[in-house]
Amino acid sequence: QVLLQESGPGLVKPSETLSLTCSVSGGSISGNYWSWIRQPPGKGLEWIGYIYYSGATNYNPSLKSRVTISVDTSKNQFSLYLTSVTAADTAVYYCARDIQTSGWYIDSWGQGTLVTVSS
Amino acid sequence: DIQMTQSPSSLSASVGDRVTITCRASQSISPYLNWYQQKPGKAPKLLIYGASNLQSGVPSRFSGSGSGTDFTLTINSLQPEDFATYHCQQTYSTPTFGQGTKLEIK
Repeated sequence: QVLLQESGPGLVKPSETLSLTCSVSGGSISGNYWSWIRQPPGKGLEWIGYIYYSGATNYNPSLKSRVTISVDTSKNQFSLYLTSVTAADTAVYYCARDIQTSGWYIDSWGQGTLVTVSS
Repeated sequence: DIQMTQSPSSLSASVGDRVTITCRASQSISPYLNWYQQKPGKAPKLLIYGASNLQSGVPSRFSGSGSGTDFTLTINSLQPEDFATYHCQQTYSTPTFGQGTKLEIK
């Protein structure tokens, strides 16, 4: 069973860049799609984007100008970078594995990490 | 963006009840509709994918149906561990989620 674990700062200042890394264990990052999803406190889920192990990406158009997702297959990790953050970016950030063979859905999630944007 | 509207937003039910949660899309999305269960402080868990396919390990009291723009999640014989928030998600285009349905104990 694949396990995912998010890591990174829990507090980011406004206008700075949010950086998170997801470490994948129990399986290879190769051959799969990997996503980031976020959930503001008390609100619904928002898909941020995904990366294929080859490096191909697909981002939510609403965030595309500020988002970069990268992958490091040698470390079995992928990362999220969100620039120019504001308080509206405060959320629990989840990394996840996508299945895109029989439809498209998320079958494995990290535990989530709360990132607060505040000075 | 495709908008997903869940109803009801909250629901009270008793152990043993049968409940149905509805998700409506702003355009046809068949069959790219998934259902997730989320408990407080935890990540979502996949229940149903492709509108009606039960994820491995998920109890058979959960079922999904629907097509086009209208989909339902049904839980037969509610168990104490089923009280949670349920989210639908469309993956026909840029993925979007419903606002969630909170299922509470009556």
